[in-house]
Amino acid sequence: DTEVTQTPKHLVMGMTNKKSLKCEQHMGHRAMYWYKQKAKKPPELMFVYSYEKLSINESVPSRFSPECPNSSLLNLHLHALQPEDSALYLCASSRQTGDEQYFGPGTRLTVT
Amino acid sequence: GQNIDQPTEMTATEGAIVQINCTYQTSGFNGLFWYQQHAGEAPTFLSYNVLDGLEEKGRFSSFLSRSKGYSYLLLKELQMKDSASYLCAVVRNSGYSTLTFGKGTMLLVSP
Repeated sequence: DTEVTQTPKHLVMGMTNKKSLKCEQHMGHRAMYWYKQKAKKPPELMFVYSYEKLSINESVPSRFSPECPNSSLLNLHLHALQPEDSALYLCASSRQTGDEQYFGPGTRLTVT
Repeated sequence: GQNIDQPTEMTATEGAIVQINCTYQTSGFNGLFWYQQHAGEAPTFLSYNVLDGLEEKGRFSSFLSRSKGYSYLLLKELQMKDSASYLCAVVRNSGYSTLTFGKGTMLLVSP
């Protein structure tokens, strides 16, 4: 199984809503990542988890809150987002940080 | 800081060979990845170079020169399905290894 799954595929939310993005992998990878990608731009790293501990937070606003409940799951909790947060949110995993990353299909988020 | 440069767009015809260049400046360099991304889809891994030289994998090859801060991705026998964005990504080790992507090169393959 070399798949990273993400749910939901699409999400539309208002600025006062609270929602969560979910990511799952069963490859035994110990590093997991959240990226944000705007149209025609490269993915931008948001968070890195290594062995279920938050290793890197790339100065992401607190309205984005990551959580790693176990080695297979990664969540991104969203609250009070702004329209400019609309983007494709990609989850990735790798055996260790620095190794080849496998990307999920992404969640297309629209904030209204 | 880091700086990764790739051409914004390239065009080529089916059956041809195309070379996509990537130059980088970074501290703590620990390898370079190439990813392919079709519109609306996730990036998929193509190649990884950490030592100088050429890595060949089917129709795709990737080259690295660490001393020159330079890499290229070579695509042979181009097919229409190769139309995509090609992302150069540098691994930087600063405690933890992280990946920083270049802006990507949009390749359009025409008949």
